[in-house]
Amino acid sequence: GAVVSQHPSRVICKSGTSVKIECRSLDFQATTMFWYRQFPKQSLMLMATSNEGSKATYEQGVEKDKFLINHASLTLSTLTVTSAHPEDSSFYICSAATGVIRPNYGYTFGSGTRLTVV
Amino acid sequence: GQSLEQPSEVTAVEGAIVQINCTYQTSGFYGLSWYQQHDGGAPTFLSYNALDGLEETGRFSSFLSRSDSYGYLLLQELQMKDSASYFCAVNLKKGGKLIFGQGTELSVKP
Repeated sequence: GAVVSQHPSRVICKSGTSVKIECRSLDFQATTMFWYRQFPKQSLMLMATSNEGSKATYEQGVEKDKFLINHASLTLSTLTVTSAHPEDSSFYICSAATGVIRPNYGYTFGSGTRLTVV
Repeated sequence: GQSLEQPSEVTAVEGAIVQINCTYQTSGFYGLSWYQQHDGGAPTFLSYNALDGLEETGRFSSFLSRSDSYGYLLLQELQMKDSASYFCAVNLKKGGKLIFGQGTELSVKP
């Protein structure tokens, strides 16, 4: 149980275009979704935290107008990279807090999206 | 600021035991988790400590000392497939965001 489906797994887009990444919780309600970004050989850097029905909370240094997060339902959260540039090329991963008490409070990760901006 | 420190890389041979340490300085603490990540993949959960002591899950064990802000992941009977990056991560509060360490790249050699 507690599966998060993330799409697309890979996307290549032209500089200046926008890309939407979706994360769906398949068998639970994700009240909170975390969005991370990871550059090669580096750690996962938290970009923002979204709660269903409210505005996302962005980490310091993350442009909220560039990385639009929508969490309109308990099963879907989206990250849109607007006006993408080559420096936005990265691995983007979502993680949902299941709200179920588990050994690690149940953080389930999506499979990630490899974004390449050309 | 929040910081978690772990070694950048560790090398070991098949069948051996390896310990990956993690020290943290964070504004809050609810628990310490360990994740494994293979190249191109998503992190997968390995182990978690909220209280001091050792937690054992198969070949993997994790230890926490909250007074020392320190934990470690112990991997036993290493296999080639264990070659991956390992991250420690701190929950600042229950259900809150995870702060990740920089990761330790483990190479298991024959």
